[in-house]
Amino acid sequence: GQNIDQPTEMTATEGAIVQINCTYQTSGFNGLFWYQQHAGEAPTFLSYNVLDGLEEKGRFSSFLSRSKGYSYLLLKELQMKDSASYLCAVFDGDYKLSFGAGTTVTVRA
Amino acid sequence: GAVVSQHPSRVICKSGTSVKIECRSLDFQATTMFWYRQFPKQSLMLMATSNEGSKATYEQGVEKDKFLINHASLTLSTLTVTSAHPEDSSFYICSARAGRTSDSYEQYFGPGTRLTVT
Repeated sequence: GQNIDQPTEMTATEGAIVQINCTYQTSGFNGLFWYQQHAGEAPTFLSYNVLDGLEEKGRFSSFLSRSKGYSYLLLKELQMKDSASYLCAVFDGDYKLSFGAGTTVTVRA
Repeated sequence: GAVVSQHPSRVICKSGTSVKIECRSLDFQATTMFWYRQFPKQSLMLMATSNEGSKATYEQGVEKDKFLINHASLTLSTLTVTSAHPEDSSFYICSARAGRTSDSYEQYFGPGTRLTVT
């Protein structure tokens, strides 16, 4: 089966930077997604990486190393509205999404 | 961006009854739709994949006779939970993809349906 690991919880203060790590072992790889999910809502797309390197999109950046089976999501200039669950998801060899358990980020004033 | 709707957003039903959840792609044709289930503080678990006009492919451990999926058109898929039990209470989320290949990798998620079985 697929194995996707990410920390359960992280806490940071407003204006700070937080890095959420994700490691994966999957049968095949066709890209890695990061989603944001607020409680009781559906996930919203943040980023997609299929090649090694850093993708920057405003305050959010995502990094991928395929050889290490590793990705991270970097959230800069944290705002209170960034308090949410962040899901790492891998597109496997069958183009199915397998999700990690999610990292709950709490932003404190 | 592409929009996917789900109906109903919340439903409460009695044990033993059946519940139908609809998933619609509003502004694009969804060749493939996915159904996920999410228990509290857990991640999304893929239940099944459905391609328009063909039978759904269920993930291991998901009972196809209990969770009936129909993808009758390019914009509509339905999930029917038959003979619901309290342990079926969960957050059900659908997603839709425009293509079958890696050319259209992005999935668009619906807002989810909260099912409570009493």
